Amino acid sequence: QKEVEQDPGPLSVPEGAIVSLNCTYSNSAFQYFMWYRQYSRKGPELLMYTYSSGNKEDGRFTAQVDKSSKYISLFIRDSQPSDSATYLCAMSADSNYQLIWGAGTKLIIKP
Amino acid sequence: GAVVSQHPSWVICKSGTSVKIECRSLDFQATTMFWYRQFPKQSLMLMATSNEGSKATYEQGVEKDKFLINHASLTLSTLTVTSAHPEDSSFYICSATENANYGYTFGSGTRLTVV
Repeated sequence: QKEVEQDPGPLSVPEGAIVSLNCTYSNSAFQYFMWYRQYSRKGPELLMYTYSSGNKEDGRFTAQVDKSSKYISLFIRDSQPSDSATYLCAMSADSNYQLIWGAGTKLIIKP
Repeated sequence: GAVVSQHPSWVICKSGTSVKIECRSLDFQATTMFWYRQFPKQSLMLMATSNEGSKATYEQGVEKDKFLINHASLTLSTLTVTSAHPEDSSFYICSATENANYGYTFGSGTRLTVV
């Protein structure tokens, strides 16, 4: 079993829909949780960075961490075709940032 | 599933010395490997792309004589930071793909500290 599980998709939704992306993990030591967005042939762009449990909101993006369930989510409101990309979750146990990555979910927003 | 092993996880070296970072694909053939650099809480910056058996393609602003990349086999790529300086201290991450249509697999990263 991988330390971090993420459904690779593709996930296809209509424009304007709320998108929910998720990762589960097995290592209870993880404390730092990140979501990256990667467009084709580009490096991953950091979207959200959270420490420990709770919610964090930035514009149309909301990241949730539930450490008791070992489950993290990224919500995208009012989705746009430009949100079409691969979304990767990553997490680490310490500030040395040894990252454990999810496989990435390919998201397609249909106009 | 696809796994990429990156070593070492962290390294401390003296200024002026060279450091080699390895990236191995354990269960697939990595026809293309990517090397990234990341500063704390920032996005990954692509440094170079390497295809097995070919010279690496470096992004603008990345010194190819300083960051030597070797991709001699379908399962191994190395990044050597030559004559390291404190400003080279960073987090280096590799990723690999057999076929871009199937996605990319990332290594766990290497924390380099130059003192």
